[in-house]
Amino acid sequence: QVQLVESGGDLVTPGGSLRLSCAASGFSVTDYYMSWIRQAPGKGLEWVAYISVSGDTIYYPGSVKGRFTISRDSAKNSLYLQMNSLRAEDTAVYYCARGSPGWAFGYWGQGALVTVSS
Amino acid sequence: IVMTQTPLSLSVTPGHPASISCKSRQSLLFSDGKTYLSWYLQRPGQRPQLLIYEVSRRLSGVPDRFSGGGSGTDFTLTISRVEAEDVGVYYCMQGMDLFSFGPGTKVEI
Repeated sequence: QVQLVESGGDLVTPGGSLRLSCAASGFSVTDYYMSWIRQAPGKGLEWVAYISVSGDTIYYPGSVKGRFTISRDSAKNSLYLQMNSLRAEDTAVYYCARGSPGWAFGYWGQGALVTVSS
Repeated sequence: IVMTQTPLSLSVTPGHPASISCKSRQSLLFSDGKTYLSWYLQRPGQRPQLLIYEVSRRLSGVPDRFSGGGSGTDFTLTISRVEAEDVGVYYCMQGMDLFSFGPGTKVEI
């Protein structure tokens, strides 16, 4: 049974850093492309990071490029999102998601809330 | 790729059909001949769930009252007979050039 469980969400001050984790079970994170997708309070979905099956291709949208880093650990079967220089507009629920055929996301975690505020 | 959806809000009657339009600013037809447009439903207080990928392929377990269609830049999600459990926000997403979502369509009974 596929499961994704995020952790690490917290309240952080502007300019601070935070690392989110996503523990996967029921599959190996190295067998699928993975992404982080966020949702600001009351808003829509925004994709924020992608890592390929091989792990050597990584993409970010312009809104987080240079501040966020996606990575994975095969031994811990986990996905991570390192977030630096956080801004108020980064406040959101962050979901990790597993890639599916058709460049879609078939499995999502329950989400981790990140609040950036002084 | 900018994605738009209409309407942004939809009031539906159980047992009646409903449809949502999704448009992209550029064609979602990839060089491999496939079109990477997917649909998601986010029920209130829940995580998003994939309904349809590659325009019209229903994920296993998704009721057949949900169908997707379209090509190029214009796509539609249709619910043949709306049920109460179908309320929530529907998002289209393109995967042709990285990923981007439409603004969402809120469906209410």
